[in-house]
Amino acid sequence: DVKVTQSSRYLVKRTGEKVFLECVQDMDHENMFWYRQDPGLGLRLIYFSYDVKMKEKGDIPEGYSVSREKKERFSLILESASTNQTSMYLCASLSHLGHTQYFGPGTRLTVL
Amino acid sequence: DAKTTQPTSMDCAEGRAANLPCNHSTISGNEYVYWYRQIHSQGPQYIIHGLKNNETNEMASLIITEDRKSSTLILPHATLRDTAVYYCIGPNSGNTPLVFGKGTRLSVIA
Repeated sequence: DVKVTQSSRYLVKRTGEKVFLECVQDMDHENMFWYRQDPGLGLRLIYFSYDVKMKEKGDIPEGYSVSREKKERFSLILESASTNQTSMYLCASLSHLGHTQYFGPGTRLTVL
Repeated sequence: DAKTTQPTSMDCAEGRAANLPCNHSTISGNEYVYWYRQIHSQGPQYIIHGLKNNETNEMASLIITEDRKSSTLILPHATLRDTAVYYCIGPNSGNTPLVFGKGTRLSVIA
């Protein structure tokens, strides 16, 4: 059974902290994505990666960075967390040859 | 921005077919339409996708009009567990990031 896992379901951080959100997939997929989801705004793409060490900005990259050192792991980094980054963060992966994007369960981040 | 148009919400009686429409008038030759759903507090889940032919799998059927400008997702016998937000996504040539719109909130009623 395919699986995308995220390091935490719930996370509470303080303003100014550096935050790492981890995503791991076990399907050997080349493509990985980070979205955030907010009420009324739907899912918005933050960053994506087509391969190890590759990254591309999505629609809302400001305030975020990413790291893809290994194929199975894609990390989202909030360099200095702010309250407007309180959100649900969703990771997904996709094979180069496939059409099915698999999502993780999400991390609900609260920045105080 | 999303390139599809869906109704904001729909209701369906349990056991009946749920028909969810989607307009994607800008679709071109090699672009697909994808359907995902998101049950409350979970990540989105893939349902089905199509290019120009109708498609069916264990979850749903996808009916695409001949001009490919619209499609309908059919859940043949809706259950309470099908209550979710359904996203019609596309047009997309595959292997590129999906652009999610607001989706249709389907409520299955007992």
